[in-house]
Amino acid sequence: EIVLTQSPGTLSLSPGERATLSCRASQSVSSSYLAWYQHKPGQAPRLLIYGASSRATGIPDRFSGSGSGTDFTLTISRLEPEDFAVYYCQQYGSSTGTFGQGTKVEIK
Amino acid sequence: QVHLVQSGAEVKEPGASLRVSCKASGYTFNSYSMHWVRQAPGQGLEWMGVISPSRDTTTYAQKLQGRITMARDTSTSTVYMELSSLRSEDTAVYYCARGRLGYTSSWYVYWGQGTLVTVSS
Repeated sequence: EIVLTQSPGTLSLSPGERATLSCRASQSVSSSYLAWYQHKPGQAPRLLIYGASSRATGIPDRFSGSGSGTDFTLTISRLEPEDFAVYYCQQYGSSTGTFGQGTKVEIK
Repeated sequence: QVHLVQSGAEVKEPGASLRVSCKASGYTFNSYSMHWVRQAPGQGLEWMGVISPSRDTTTYAQKLQGRITMARDTSTSTVYMELSSLRSEDTAVYYCARGRLGYTSSWYVYWGQGTLVTVSS
């Protein structure tokens, strides 16, 4: 099973700042089958990025994904108030999917 | 529009079994896999397994093997997730999530509303 490790655990930033979130896989993720989600309390997760770098429909262009192999990054170029949430990476390249443990982006 | 509507909250005793349903609408049910994901209190998301409605095949997370069963009813476009021998660690919000067209491995755009399951004596 592929294990995903996200860092940092918590990111304390102010609105307007840039957020850089990391997701490292224990083995190579085939075909860059890596997705990112935003999750807020009481809601279902929201897909942001799939295929490591493709934005999902309706996602603002301040969200971008990059990386391949075992190292992936989600960047939020300028944080808006609604972006403060928990972010998860997910790999779907193996027959069993796995999620990272999450990064909380909180208001500084 | 795509809708995934899950059954309501449950309270179960340790050792009991659980069944959560997920009724799909707004798309061709057989064409998309359905996954289950859960989130325990204060924890992250955990992938549980997937069912292909067309082939009636399943893949489960290794951690849950032997306790989890997924099934589908094509006549009602509903998938079911059953979890047996419940323990307190199974207390979580359970989500169904639709996979992408023609693949069992997938990201998820569409999610159910979540079902809170509490395991307590």
